[in-house]
Amino acid sequence: GENVEQHPSTLSVQEGDSAVIKCTYSDSASNYFPWYKQELGKRPQLIIDIRSNVGEKKDQRIAVTLNKTAKHFSLHITETQPEDSAVYFCAAGSNAGGTSYGKLTFGQGTILTVHP
Amino acid sequence: DAGITQSPRYKITETGRQVTLMCHQTWSHSYMFWYRQDLGHGLRLIYYSAAADITDKGEVPDGYVVSRSKTENFPLTLESATRSQTSVYFCASKAGYKETQYFGPGTRLLVL
Repeated sequence: GENVEQHPSTLSVQEGDSAVIKCTYSDSASNYFPWYKQELGKRPQLIIDIRSNVGEKKDQRIAVTLNKTAKHFSLHITETQPEDSAVYFCAAGSNAGGTSYGKLTFGQGTILTVHP
Repeated sequence: DAGITQSPRYKITETGRQVTLMCHQTWSHSYMFWYRQDLGHGLRLIYYSAAADITDKGEVPDGYVVSRSKTENFPLTLESATRSQTSVYFCASKAGYKETQYFGPGTRLLVL
């Protein structure tokens, strides 16, 4: 099955700096790569996603890049703010047909702390 | 987000007891999922369902049972709870034609 590795496990930055979180995946059939943000005691919430036919996607201060050849994808947060502090999870999945459709494999998570 | 709910939100039980965690969604999403979240492991898939009466095992199904008689409900049962099943359990759902999974608020389960 799919295996997703996420690094680093913790990341500490100063407000205004950039933060980068990296993930690798093993299954070349995976073609959907979402990123979730989870604040303390809350549910994971989707912040951005990318599909395999796209190399990069941006949404304001957040961007995701995908390298299908190397099987890795990254989350970039620019101009970090204290409210960006949370746990971030990457995931990989396939929209192949059948009952496996939509199944996600998650990385281990990155605890991001943004210091004012 | 208010469209997917879980109950109870907190549960304390003893080893060997049967426990059922409930998940309910109002979006008529065809796909539903159960995950457990433990430090260092991220979110691991326990079971998922593609539609009513269609379920399949995920990464860590041992010790758990699911059913889905109605589209909106996807209960997860721990047949005989063990301490290793102490965790936070999240239910999620998605529409059949979209990839995005939406998570419920979670259930914190402590097995003594």
